[in-house]
Parts: sequence; C-alpha cells; structure tokens
Amino acid sequence: DQQVKQNSPSLSVQEGRISILNCDYTNSMFDYFLWYKKYPAEGPTFLISISSIKDKNEDGRFTVFLNKSAKHLSLHIVPSQPGDSAVYFCAASASNQGGKLIFGQGTELSVKP
Amino acid sequence: KAGVTQTPRYLIKTRGQQVTLSCSPISGHRSVSWYQQTPGQGLQFLFEYFSETQRNKGNFPGRFSGRQFSNSRSEMNVSTLELGDSALYLCASSLDTGTVYGYTFGSGTRLTVV
Repeated sequence: DQQVKQNSPSLSVQEGRISILNCDYTNSMFDYFLWYKKYPAEGPTFLISISSIKDKNEDGRFTVFLNKSAKHLSLHIVPSQPGDSAVYFCAASASNQGGKLIFGQGTELSVKP
Repeated sequence: KAGVTQTPRYLIKTRGQQVTLSCSPISGHRSVSWYQQTPGQGLQFLFEYFSETQRNKGNFPGRFSGRQFSNSRSEMNVSTLELGDSALYLCASSLDTGTVYGYTFGSGTRLTVV
C-alpha cells in the first residue's frame, strides 16, 4: 500500500536549468507535505513544506506546488546547481497521525555542470 | 544548537543477536520518532515516543521496540536479529507530539546483520 509515490527513480538536468521532481499521493487525509534532500549514509535534511490549505510555497530557489484535486505535488529547483545532486524524498503527514511521516521512494537528482 | 545525535554510527551484529540504538533529540524537542531505511522498502515509520509513552506505531513485528527516558532521549531495540533487519535506522525529533513541524533527522545508525 504505497500511499506516497515518486514514479521517477532518477532525473538528470543541466546546471542552470529547472529541476522538477514529482510526487503523487492517495490518502486524502494527508494535510501536510514535506520535501527532504538526502545524501548516502546521512539523515534526510528538510528543504521545504506546504500545508494543504495552500497551493504554492516558495523558499529561495525551491518552490513546492500542491494540486489537491489531482493529489499531486511537485518540487521545482531553479536554477539547478551541481550541489543539488542528491536523493529527494517527498513525505506526507495527516493531523490524526501525529508525528508520522509517509515517504515516497525517492528520486535521485543529478545536476551536470 | 546541537542536532539530533544517534549512536553508534555503524554496527555489525550476527543473526539471532539483539541490538540497542540510541537517539538524543535536539534540546527542547520532546517527541522522537524512528524510521527504517532499506533499498527495497524506502523510509518506513517504526514508532513515535512522547513523554516516555509510545504515541504511534508502524507496521513492524514485535521484535522492534523502543522507549523514551525523562530527558527525551530514546532507544530502540531489535531482538532476534534477521538478515532483513540490515538497514539505516534514523531517528527524528520535533518539539511536540502530533506535529511534524521542525521535524529534524539524525545521521542514522547503519546496522548490518551477518
């Protein structure tokens, strides 16, 4: 029962271009969504989040879009930099589930100079 | 401020043994959650502790258990280890239960079962 799905295991973009990472979810009770960046053998690092009452949240080069009707969110990175190369996870939580995050499988982003 | 600290960083155990992992949350954070990361299953929620009480539990067998102390530090224990328990175990702390705001992960403990 994969409630959060990232269908692209990998993505390769050129430095300076836009990176778009996608995430779909099935549980309509999810009301908070987060994106994390992760390097091997390290813990995930929080990037950006969005509440279900919003459809967009921006923080510097990172923007997250939420389409509730489609149960879809995306992370845009503009412009992409080589240091952005990592695995990106989207995660979702529901208010009635407390401190429990449901993660997607991750997308490995490679930004080439 | 200091982040979430997990010890040890690496561990090798033999099948059938048990193991205890430790997590010290960010100062002031009272909720600690544990996750298992494996290549096949991704990041999966194990349990959450708040005020020394388990508040939420994932879909793992009873061999996986945890506890939280009065200073919010948490330990998780895995008994009768199986090869499939080899994974990166991550803990995360947050200010309070019932929220993922400020959720911060530690660097994890890499457990290898041989």
